[in-house]
Amino acid sequence: GNSVTQMEGPVTLSEEAFLTINCTYTATGYPSLFWYVQYPGEGLQLLLKATKADDKGSNKGFEATYRKETTSFHLEKGSVQVSDSAVYFCALSDNNAGNMLTFGGGTRLMVKP
Amino acid sequence: EAGVTQSPTHLIKTRGQQVTLRCSPISGHTSVYWYQQALGLGLQFLLWYDEGEERNRGNFPPRFSGRQFPNYSSELNVNALELEDSALYLCASSSGSGTEETQYFGPGTRLLVL
Repeated sequence: GNSVTQMEGPVTLSEEAFLTINCTYTATGYPSLFWYVQYPGEGLQLLLKATKADDKGSNKGFEATYRKETTSFHLEKGSVQVSDSAVYFCALSDNNAGNMLTFGGGTRLMVKP
Repeated sequence: EAGVTQSPTHLIKTRGQQVTLRCSPISGHTSVYWYQQALGLGLQFLLWYDEGEERNRGNFPPRFSGRQFPNYSSELNVNALELEDSALYLCASSSGSGTEETQYFGPGTRLLVL
């Protein structure tokens, strides 16, 4: 079956530091890949997505590239802010597996001033 | 454009009771998904409805059920509540089941079972 593995947190960074959150996946078909963000006490917000190999998703300074050869979709940001503190979820959607999202375990990011 | 809405925001029930959670999708979206976010267990897929029909179901017991109405809103029902049902229940909607469909989430309903 499908699965997503993310680096465990928490990840603690100082403001303006470089961020990488690793995500790898296993899928039987050709999934779409997503990063969602969850701020404290809220639901999930779509951060970015990529639907095919070598696509790059980007939003609000965050980027991730769909790497089929390494089955990865690592999230990066060049300079984090305190307001980026949240839990980040990597997820995949596979039409061959009923269309639901399969999530990684989430990575908590804490950014200190 | 209004996003996905869910009600109620918070709910407290006791073991054995029944609960109904509600979700209204983004206008124009026909698919509704339900997920459970329990502490320590991550996000687990519960149910998927599209065009009024149940299309897929996650690994949950039959006491978790739901339906989708002609206006595409949806209800999630949980019977015979157990303590481990305490979780954030998230609803998401999408415009269909194509290869590039994106699910957009509501704020969730936080259920506490005592």
